[in-house]
Amino acid sequence: KAGVTQTPRYLIKTRGQQVTLSCSPISGHRSVSWYQQTPGQGLQFLFEYFSETQRNKGNFPGRFSGRQFSNSRSEMNVSTLELGDSALYLCASSLGAGGLVDTEAFFGQGTRLTVV
Amino acid sequence: DAKTTQPPSMDCAEGRAANLPCNHSTISGNEYVYWYRQIHSQGPQYIIHGLKNNETNEMASLIITEDRKSSTLILPHATLRDTAVYYCIVRVVSNSGYALNFGKGTSLLVTP
Repeated sequence: KAGVTQTPRYLIKTRGQQVTLSCSPISGHRSVSWYQQTPGQGLQFLFEYFSETQRNKGNFPGRFSGRQFSNSRSEMNVSTLELGDSALYLCASSLGAGGLVDTEAFFGQGTRLTVV
Repeated sequence: DAKTTQPPSMDCAEGRAANLPCNHSTISGNEYVYWYRQIHSQGPQYIIHGLKNNETNEMASLIITEDRKSSTLILPHATLRDTAVYYCIVRVVSNSGYALNFGKGTSLLVTP
């Protein structure tokens, strides 16, 4: 079956602009999580959506937001881009049912965002 | 989730076993130990997880000490393709959501 699909793969934006990234989870998965990866901070959790509701949130400013649609696809938005937002943004999908059913999350290839 | 400590880097010769340690001295009774790895420029990949018993799958073995304060991931016959950053994560498995707290991980270099 198809894996987690993230689009676009690469993006270049200017400071002050806003950006929207997309993630299509594995069919049947209802949970989508987003992560930011930078050389300095490593992999950091942004937020998680389950059944169109944000269930968990990491420690990021309000410029970072997301949503999930009824088909479980998710989008992440970053407004007023800063140079420090340059990073690899990864999304992961899991069944989301909780408990031992959620033994693993499957990650996409990521979107490489460069802010200039 | 409990904090984990891993060595920043390790080397292993191809064909030998790679033993990656992880310290999680503050782990609580309902927290599982998970291992993921990330090969350069790719998304992290799940390897294995366990609670208190040793676990084995087609990729690796996970040895958890009796007091659960530390664990070791074993790649029995390391190949060049196992060169990656390995993350040890401790988390509660519940219906409260799937948020992984990745640390710095261990950068494993498998050499010919």
